[in-house]
Amino acid sequence: QITLKESGPTLVKPTQTLTLTCTFSGFSLSTSGVGVGWIRQPPGKALEWLALIYWNDDKRYSPSLKSRLTITKDTSKNQVVLTMTNMDPVDTATYYCAHSSPPYDFWSGPFDPWGQGTLVTVSS
Amino acid sequence: EIVMTQSPATLSVSPGERATLSCRASQSVSSNLAWYQQKPGQAPRLLIYGASTRATGIPARFSGSGSGTEFTLTISSLQSEDFAVYYCQQYNNWPVTFGQGTKVEIK
Repeated sequence: QITLKESGPTLVKPTQTLTLTCTFSGFSLSTSGVGVGWIRQPPGKALEWLALIYWNDDKRYSPSLKSRLTITKDTSKNQVVLTMTNMDPVDTATYYCAHSSPPYDFWSGPFDPWGQGTLVTVSS
Repeated sequence: EIVMTQSPATLSVSPGERATLSCRASQSVSSNLAWYQQKPGQAPRLLIYGASTRATGIPARFSGSGSGTEFTLTISSLQSEDFAVYYCQQYNNWPVTFGQGTKVEIK
């Protein structure tokens, strides 16, 4: 059974850097094709994909946020870390991490399953 | 960036009725399209991938169809637990993108 859980601060101040950790079990991020992504959701709004890291350390970022994001993995700890710099109140959202692997012969796949999410509020 | 447009924004349906949700891509995504269900206070759950394949444990009343730019999620007979927000997502091109969601509410 695959599970993921997000952890990090619930409150950050504007201009600060947010660091979120996704701790997972039930799969290995050294297995070919496997990835872990981050997705966020502002209160009452839609889902927004942020970043994804693959088993081979290939990293993908949302173009609109690329300059502020860094995603890394620690395979031995079963963790993926997302950092977002220069936080702003508009970044207030629930942040999810999710497992991804191609269910058929393709380079990518859907997000399944997702962690429970962590609400991050940006306020002074 | 591929824009995913879902319609309608809100769908009012009576329990037991059929619900049909649409998702349109601004360019072809082949069949690399997923549908998710999200209930209040919960994380999204994968329902459909590959445009038409049900994920593990998803009831047969959920079905997906389409390819290219036009996709449909059909719930054949709505149960009380199906009232939720549904999102489509393409994973054919970077960046992967989500639609804005369709809320299925009780009529």
